[in-house]
Parts: sequence; structure tokens; C-alpha cells
Amino acid sequence: DIQLTQSPSAMSASVGDRVTITCRASQGISKYLAWFQQKPGTVPKRLISTASSLERGVPSRFSGSGSGTEFTLTISSLQPEDFATYYCLQHNSFPLTFGQGTKLEIK
Amino acid sequence: QIQLVQSGAEVKKPGASVKVSCRTSGFTFTSYGISWVRQAPGQGLEWMGWISVYNGDTKYTQEFEGRVTMTTDTSTSTAYMELRSLRSDDTAVFFCARAPPTVPTLFAFDHWGQGTLVTVSS
Repeated sequence: DIQLTQSPSAMSASVGDRVTITCRASQGISKYLAWFQQKPGTVPKRLISTASSLERGVPSRFSGSGSGTEFTLTISSLQPEDFATYYCLQHNSFPLTFGQGTKLEIK
Repeated sequence: QIQLVQSGAEVKKPGASVKVSCRTSGFTFTSYGISWVRQAPGQGLEWMGWISVYNGDTKYTQEFEGRVTMTTDTSTSTAYMELRSLRSDDTAVFFCARAPPTVPTLFAFDHWGQGTLVTVSS
């Protein structure tokens, strides 16, 4: 099975900060990585698919990059509504796997 | 619009079974698959498995193999996830999500159900 390791597991940041979250795969997954945002008590929301394709309606301050085994999610200027938990998901092969999550908190 | 509407919260005793439904609308059910995801309280997302409505294929993670069955009813555009031999650590929210009909590379989960809380307690 492909393992995904997200770093950091948690972080605190301030409004306006630039934030980068990394997701590393235990083996190559080409571009088949998605990023999700989840706020407490809500359904995960897909932000980015195939590593770098921004979902319609997602603010342009979110961006994704990477291929193979290393991927990043960047938020260029944090907004109050961005404080949430972020998950990566590999959908290159079964079984699909999620990263353990990165909890982004307000500093 | 595309919707996945799940059945309501359940409370079960250890050893029992639960069957969660996911009723879909707004897209051609038979052209897709459905994945199921578990989220224990305060924990991360865990993919449980997938069923292709298109051709009936299923894939389950090793953790749930033998204990879970995923099915679909094309007459009602509804997917089901049955989990047996429930344990207290199965207490979680279970989500359904629209998935590709065949290979997983086609796309990742673009639409989700609202989640169903299953509580396992004696």
C-alpha cells in the first residue's frame, strides 16, 4: 500500500502568512494527488485535484504542485476562513490512502 | 445539482451490524462508482473501499475485508455500506463519495454525502 506522510501534522500561523504543507508518498503516484480541506463537523471539500488543478470556486490563494513522490499545498496569504485541517489523498492505485492530516490553527 | 444524501445516525451494540445508505441524484449513477470513508472522532480520514456501479467491481482495504460489504441499487440510485461485527472503535462518521467507475486515476472525490454517525456502545 502507498503511504502518504504529511508535514507538519499541525501548525499555527497568522492571517496574511504564506503556508506550505507537504505530502510525501512512499512510492511514485505520478500526478494523482488531491487536497481536501475539512472544518470541524463538516464534509471534506476538494481544493485541488491531479496535484495542481484548482477546483472551481476555490480562491486563487490556494495552489498545489508536485509529482511523483513529493507534493505541496500552498496558501499564499492566509485568511480567517482557511483555518482548518488539510488532507492529501492519493488516487493512483487501490487501496486509496489519505495523509494523516495537517491541522492549521490561528497563532 | 449533484447530491449524495446519507441515512441517519445509528446506535448499535458491539457485535451487531449497520447498513448505511447513500442516495444519489443529479448524475448518471451507473456511470460512476462510490467510495466509502470512515472518520473516527477527532481522527483523520480513512478510505474503506469502493464499488463500481458501472461494472460491479469492489475493492476493500485489508482492515475491513471480510467485515464490510458494499452494494448498489440502480433502481433507486442508492449505494449501501454494511459493516458487521461492530466494535467500539468503529464509532465514527461514515461518508460516501462519488468515485470513478473503473480506474481510480480518473478523478478523486468530487462530491460527498453529509456523513452518517455510527455509535457502537453497549
